Amino acid sequence: DIQLTQSPSSVSASVGDRVTITCRASQDINRWLVWYQQKPGKAPRLLMTASNLQSGVPSRFSGGGSGQDFTLTISSLQPEDFATYFCQQAHIFPLTFGQGTRLDIK
Amino acid sequence: QVQLVESGGGVVQPGGSLRLSCAASGFAFKNYAMHWVRQTPGKGLEWLSFISYDGNIQYYADSVKGRFTVSRDDSANTFYVQMHMLRTDDTAVYFCARDAANSGTHWNYFDFWGQGTLVTVSS
Repeated sequence: DIQLTQSPSSVSASVGDRVTITCRASQDINRWLVWYQQKPGKAPRLLMTASNLQSGVPSRFSGGGSGQDFTLTISSLQPEDFATYFCQQAHIFPLTFGQGTRLDIK
Repeated sequence: QVQLVESGGGVVQPGGSLRLSCAASGFAFKNYAMHWVRQTPGKGLEWLSFISYDGNIQYYADSVKGRFTVSRDDSANTFYVQMHMLRTDDTAVYFCARDAANSGTHWNYFDFWGQGTLVTVSS
């Protein structure tokens, strides 16, 4: 199975800060990596594929990477961005998720 | 708008069975592959199973293979998972999720999720 390792596991930041979360796959997954945002008590929300934002997702979110290393960047944190972020590989079954990165307010 | 509504969760004893349902609306259900995903505080998000748009292909995580079976009823716009031989480590919130591709293919990620239903396996 493909293992996904996110870092950091948690991060504290302030409104207006720039934050980058990384996701490393245990093998090459090309660009088959997606990112979700989850708020407490809610289902995950699809944010983007490797570098393509989903409709309705603010442009302050961006992503990059291919192969084994991927990033999710939030350019200027807004209050509604404080949540947990997960990566997921869509390359091969079984589909797997990273362990999550909790982003909270400093 | 797209809606997925899970039902059927509850408390069950170890070794017991449960069937979860996922009622879909707001889109052409028959064109989409579907997935079950569960979440626990300890293990995070875990993908469990996939069924193709036509029901002919299923995949399962090793943790549930042989115990869980997925199915779909396009006439009722509903997706199911039948769970047998439940264990305490199956305790989780179970989500159904729509595959992001339509029309006979699958991209293996999820563009819409249900709100989740809690399954508790305990004696």
